Amino acid sequence: DIQMTQSPSSLSASVGDRVTITCRASQGISNYLAWYQQKPGKVPKLLIYAASTLQSGVPSRFSGSGSGTDFTLTISSLQPEDVASYYCQKYNSDSFTFGPGTRVDLK
Amino acid sequence: QVQLQESGPGLVKPSQTLSLTCTVSGGSISSNGYYWSWIRQHPGKGLEWIGYIYYTGSTYYNPSLKSRVTISVDMSKNQFSLKVRSVTAADTAIYFCEGTRWGNYETFDYWGQGTPVTVSS
Repeated sequence: DIQMTQSPSSLSASVGDRVTITCRASQGISNYLAWYQQKPGKVPKLLIYAASTLQSGVPSRFSGSGSGTDFTLTISSLQPEDVASYYCQKYNSDSFTFGPGTRVDLK
Repeated sequence: QVQLQESGPGLVKPSQTLSLTCTVSGGSISSNGYYWSWIRQHPGKGLEWIGYIYYTGSTYYNPSLKSRVTISVDMSKNQFSLKVRSVTAADTAIYFCEGTRWGNYETFDYWGQGTPVTVSS
């Protein structure tokens, strides 16, 4: 079974900072990778699918890249409303495993 | 707009079966290409994918839960359901249902608001 890892597990950044989160699959998954944002007490929200396609309505400061086993979520200029946990998820076949998550806080 | 709503008991006794239902409104559960999933989140922890039922009726489960989990669909009620057998305190979590149609250029993703389930005697 393919495992998903994320780094870092948490980070603190200032408003306006560029933030990068990494997700790694234990085997290649092509571009079948999604990113979700979950704010405390809220339902997860799809940000990016197909590794780099921005979901409709998501601010353009969010971007995704990667293919195969290594993926990145970037927030180009962190905003206060971006404080949340971020999860990657594979959906290439069978198991739709989530990564363990990355918590993003304001410094 | 497609909406999902979970329902079921909020309290289940250890060793019993947890049963939840997700009602889909604003769209058909037999819509082409949709995966209907269950996800849970333990208190203060990350998201755990439980399994899905595809619109064709095929299912796939998290290997760590496979022996205790069944997901089924009731087309007549536009609902899909989750059963987790032989529950323990480790099954205490918020349970979410989700409907997703993945695409390269367009993806539809809908979530229920989540329902908390506590396993306790």
